[in-house]
Order: sequence, then structure tokens, then C-alpha cells
Amino acid sequence: QQPVQSPQAVILREGEDAVINCSSSKALYSVHWYRQKHGEAPVFLMILLKGGEQKGHEKISASFNEKKQQSSLYLTASQLSYSGTYFCGLGAGSARQLTFGSGTQLTVLP
Amino acid sequence: DTAVSQTPKYLVTQMGNDKSIKCEQNLGHDTMYWYKQDSKKFLKIMFSYNNKELIINETVPNRFSPKSPDKAHLNLHINSLELGDSAVYFCASSQGGAMFEQFFGPGTRLTVL
Repeated sequence: QQPVQSPQAVILREGEDAVINCSSSKALYSVHWYRQKHGEAPVFLMILLKGGEQKGHEKISASFNEKKQQSSLYLTASQLSYSGTYFCGLGAGSARQLTFGSGTQLTVLP
Repeated sequence: DTAVSQTPKYLVTQMGNDKSIKCEQNLGHDTMYWYKQDSKKFLKIMFSYNNKELIINETVPNRFSPKSPDKAHLNLHINSLELGDSAVYFCASSQGGAMFEQFFGPGTRLTVL
């Protein structure tokens, strides 16, 4: 079943923070985050595995709450280059495929 | 040194025609995928394939068929094209299956008239 992402869209000023949520009605095993810029292919950001792990690099990090069946992506001090559509993909334990959410469109303005 | 490549980049065709999209990866990955992204940007898995197993998303019409001549290629054949097939199709690959980072190709924009 498709994960639910919120918000659907967000507009920020450079330097502001944003949080994107990804919720599932099923138990999560792994959460995958990708970013897609307009007219381009999705690009991998990070994977979080079952266990409440938090990952990140530089100013983009994510958390995985197994109990709430939810993952959140945190963008700190956003830059213009962060603009794009962010997708979360869910993997079940024995999954051979990911199921992606409908995406969150993030726009960072100068 | 493109990692995942697709041809053509754009494809415009008439309803009822049969078309193919080619995908090649030079990463040495063992798993390849086809995704469909519609006008609302919904990214939907169609197929995943490694040299042992083909997994077909149950919602994909049987007019769509993947063909893999070797480990580095996974082509997509579409028969009897319909208006609703218009979308961007992405090929992707990963090593070790879907639980690992997937590398996407640049996409093929298919327009059915």
C-alpha cells in the first residue's frame, strides 16, 4: 500500500528548516528517501532500516519511528539546491520492490 | 560514463502502435527496474528483475513486457499503446535488490496521441 506523505507541498526561504513526513498503514522494514529535481531522475538520499535509526549527512537527516510506522526527513538551513520533489519509498521485510509515496514538492526561494 | 542510460529520451506515437524503450546499466548491478511516473508525479514500480527472478506489479497490464537480453540490459516493450500509457518511464538498477540504493536513468517521456 502506498505511503502517505505530508505536506504535499512546501515553500521556504533560504535558510529555513522543513520537515517531510512519510506514514505507512503497514509495519515498516525500511524507508528510502529520494529527491527528484524538475525534469530529472530521482536521486538517492538515504535508507533507514528497522530499529529507530537516524541518519543524515550535512543538513539533511531522517528518522524512523517503527512504533508510529513513520519516517521524517529533516532539512536544516535549506539551500536553493534543495528544491525538488521528495519521495519516500517503503520496503517490506521480504520486498523485492519499493512502494513510493506521492511526493512532497519543496521550493526554496532566495 | 553514464551509469544508467535509456533510449529514446522522447517517444511520440499513435494509439495502437507497439514500441520499445531500451535501458542499459554499466554499474555491474544485479537488479533492474522499470517505473512509470504519471503527470501527477506518482512514481509506480512496474517490474523488478534480476537474473533469477522477474517480479511484476499486479496492476501492470500484460501489454507491457520486460525483456532482458543480458544482465546489463532491461528493455520495455509495450503493445497496443493507449492514451493512458503517456508518462515518463524510468529504468533503475541496484546491487543486491530493492533494499539498496537505486540508480535511475534519465527517463523516457512517452506521449501517445
